[in-house]
Amino acid sequence: QVQLVESGGGVVQPGGSLRLSCAASGFTFSSYGMHWVRQAPGKGLEWVAFIRYDGSNKYYADSVKGRFTISRDNSKNTLYLQMNSLRAEDTAVYYCAKGGGYCSNGVCYNFDYWGQGTLVTVSS
Amino acid sequence: EIVLTQSPGTLSLSPGERATLSCRASQSVSSSYLAWYHQKPGQAPRLLIYGASSRAAGIPDRFSGSGSGTDFTLTISRLEPEDFAVYYCQQYGSSLWTFGQGTKVEIK
Repeated sequence: QVQLVESGGGVVQPGGSLRLSCAASGFTFSSYGMHWVRQAPGKGLEWVAFIRYDGSNKYYADSVKGRFTISRDNSKNTLYLQMNSLRAEDTAVYYCAKGGGYCSNGVCYNFDYWGQGTLVTVSS
Repeated sequence: EIVLTQSPGTLSLSPGERATLSCRASQSVSSSYLAWYHQKPGQAPRLLIYGASSRAAGIPDRFSGSGSGTDFTLTISRLEPEDFAVYYCQQYGSSLWTFGQGTKVEIK
């Protein structure tokens, strides 16, 4: 069955950096676009970033553009999120999610499997 | 950026009752891109409906989606105890994915 396991969360000071990982199994990782979605404590869902199945396209939410970088290693079935210049408002549970639902031209526009999330806390 | 507004913010109902949740977009959205999720406390979201009206794998038929353009609806025909959760709509447009702010369905 599909499994997504995030790691790398923790407490970091404002201005610091953190790298999240998401280990995928149970599906052909190299065939699907992947996303990061976050949820601040007690708040709703916020999409963060997308990477196409082959890494050829990457898109970011305006709130993280220029600070976060999404990447993937298809040989290791792993998704990454490099987070730099972290701010207090980046504090959230970060989920990796597999593209699914409606798919067209190599992109799936919804999220059909999610990991359990990893908590990132930005605080001094 | 397309903004999704969900209503009501909270829906208080009893098991067995019908739930109707609304998702309104700030501009027209392709129905193909519109999805619904629910999230229970401490858990990750789960995909319920995609393409505005197609049920995801394993989702019972008491869940149904409808709508087009700027107005979309999720209906739960008869609420089961496990359906009390927060529900989110989601869309894609212009290389951005966005979620509504959520509707909490709580036990009355």
